[in-house]
Amino acid sequence: NAGVTQTPKFQVLKTGQSMTLQCAQDMNHEYMSWYRQDPGMGLRLIHYSVGAGITDQGEVPNGYNVSRSTTEDFPLRLLSAAPSQTSVYFCASSYLPGTGMGEQYFGPGTRLTVT
Amino acid sequence: AQKITQTQPGMFVQEKEAVTLDCTYDTSDPSYGLFWYKQPSSGEMIFLIYQGSYDQQNATEGRYSLNFQKARKSANLVISASQLGDSAMYFCAMREGQGGSEKLVFGKGTKLTVNP
Repeated sequence: NAGVTQTPKFQVLKTGQSMTLQCAQDMNHEYMSWYRQDPGMGLRLIHYSVGAGITDQGEVPNGYNVSRSTTEDFPLRLLSAAPSQTSVYFCASSYLPGTGMGEQYFGPGTRLTVT
Repeated sequence: AQKITQTQPGMFVQEKEAVTLDCTYDTSDPSYGLFWYKQPSSGEMIFLIYQGSYDQQNATEGRYSLNFQKARKSANLVISASQLGDSAMYFCAMREGQGGSEKLVFGKGTKLTVNP
């Protein structure tokens, strides 16, 4: 199993550009989520999904879109990049809590810089 | 109000000693889960230990144990016999919500340094 994979590992964008961060998992997990990690802030939830076709907002959703067309993939789209979106982005997946403890498996992260 | 509070930005411990990392949480949901994750300098997030709100006993995983005091809403991580490789950021997290609205909320973390 590859677990949770994220691409790219590093990305530099100019203000106003758009891009998609890719996330895929091969563990057949229903639950997938995106977090951003900023210094001194811990991880903050951006969007999450409990299954294909179902997404919902987390704590800091503004400026980001998601979709979940398959169980395996959960891309995060930045619509118009801003310097405030400079961060490390983590994708995570898990079984739904009702089927176990629901511990999340994290991808390696994408370090995004917006200039 | 913060849902997860980690009051120790940094902690130091001597190798082979035990250390406790504090975590308090705030929820009105009777069903929730508490997690601890380790983030070494390489950046990956590593799951350490889990405690469910209905679990009667404190969780243990090897050198990690969770001191769960439900009435005080605390879930402290105890690392016994610290090793140099335990130096890392440690995050406490809480899963709350049910029926498709489950969310994981993280604290701001504690940086643990193990001295030789």
